[in-house]
Amino acid sequence: QQQVKQSPQSLIVQKGGISIINCAYENTAFDYFPWYQQFPGKGPALLIAIRPDVSEKKEGRFTISFNKSAKQFSLHIMDSQPGDSATYFCAARGQNFVFGPGTRLSVLP
Amino acid sequence: GAGVSQSPSNKVTEKGKDVELRCDPISGHTALYWYRQSLGQGLEFLIYFQGNSAPDKSGLPSDRFSAERTGGSVSTLTIQRTQQEDSAVYLCASSPPGLPYNEQFFGPGTRLTVL
Repeated sequence: QQQVKQSPQSLIVQKGGISIINCAYENTAFDYFPWYQQFPGKGPALLIAIRPDVSEKKEGRFTISFNKSAKQFSLHIMDSQPGDSATYFCAARGQNFVFGPGTRLSVLP
Repeated sequence: GAGVSQSPSNKVTEKGKDVELRCDPISGHTALYWYRQSLGQGLEFLIYFQGNSAPDKSGLPSDRFSAERTGGSVSTLTIQRTQQEDSAVYLCASSPPGLPYNEQFFGPGTRLTVL
């Protein structure tokens, strides 16, 4: 109930391509869904977040799509760049934050 | 402005020793969190402070783990009698006043290795 599932575990995309990372949850009490980006040796940094009353949120090249009925949400990175290479975590807020296991994204030049 | 800082950045210790990890949150941030990140894993919630009190300690994995926060600022995570399975990166985050579990600003972490 408290888990957030995330896939794929790793992703390789060509420069300019679209990176898509998917997450799923069970707990309908979750009320806030952030995505974090983490570079090696650094702490995670908030990238973009969405609330369940919204189906999509876009910030620059980053878009969250949210499907409340399916209890799924995804991160889309358009025009992926080598500088986007990092580990991405989805999370959900309930009584505390629950994080997915992460997706390691590599964008090839 | 200064972000969340953690010290030490790396700590190597022997099994059975006690360790203390320090977190300095962003000035003015009232909420403080500790997480554990094992290799290739997501973040595991440990404990949450609001001011100096800890309303949520549910994530502490055993009684060997404890944390305190003084002056509504610096926090220390103490692990007693360390075990090899305690090896991980310990991350601290802080949030400004407002709703609990507001946007969290993470420090760079302390990498703990227990030999």
